[in-house]
Amino acid sequence: EPEVTQTPSHQVTQMGQEVILRCVPISNHLYFYWYRQILGQKVEFLVSFYNNEISEKSEIFDDQFSVERPDGSNFTLKIRSTKLEDSAMYFCASSEIRTGGSNSPLHFGNGTRLTVT
Amino acid sequence: SQQGEEDPQALSIQEGENATMNCSYKTSINNLQWYRQNSGRGLVHLILIRSNEREKHSGRLRVTLDTSKKSSSLLITASRAADTASYFCATDGGQGFSFIFGKGTRLLVKP
Repeated sequence: EPEVTQTPSHQVTQMGQEVILRCVPISNHLYFYWYRQILGQKVEFLVSFYNNEISEKSEIFDDQFSVERPDGSNFTLKIRSTKLEDSAMYFCASSEIRTGGSNSPLHFGNGTRLTVT
Repeated sequence: SQQGEEDPQALSIQEGENATMNCSYKTSINNLQWYRQNSGRGLVHLILIRSNEREKHSGRLRVTLDTSKKSSSLLITASRAADTASYFCATDGGQGFSFIFGKGTRLLVKP
């Protein structure tokens, strides 16, 4: 069964450094998402992406964050200058079609654990 | 606004018992989904229920939706130790571009 893959599985970085988290969504999916989960807490929506542009973003997704689909397969999340509070699990997800009003579930990767020291 | 708040936060039962988790939300929705997360892993979709549906079944899972009360429940019957995981409900908030998750219910099924 096709799956969403994320790399790396664990990223350690120093405060102020830039990080890029990578995702390969399922190949025929059109909608892409980033979520994050601080340890033991809820899964928080960051951003959704369709047709090479952001569809929706949350308050968390400030100017420090950006997303890109640099080629036909990868979907990346960049954090320009990491802060301690960015430490979390970052999950990429994709869906075949738009979720609202449709029957398309989200398919998640296994996440990248980001540790900012 | 906060969507998809589950309760209880944690639930511990014996194998073979039923487990019921509840979810409440605030705004109108097109559909509501339940996901499962094993420790340290990604979320896995379990079941989707549309706003015009009241009940849905999938194997040992039964989901109900009451849009008048803005609530949903997930029932797992005849639980197994392998059902131990966190369970999240997610709502689309009617806009459709994102799903909003709650904090989840941590289910422990003791053998």
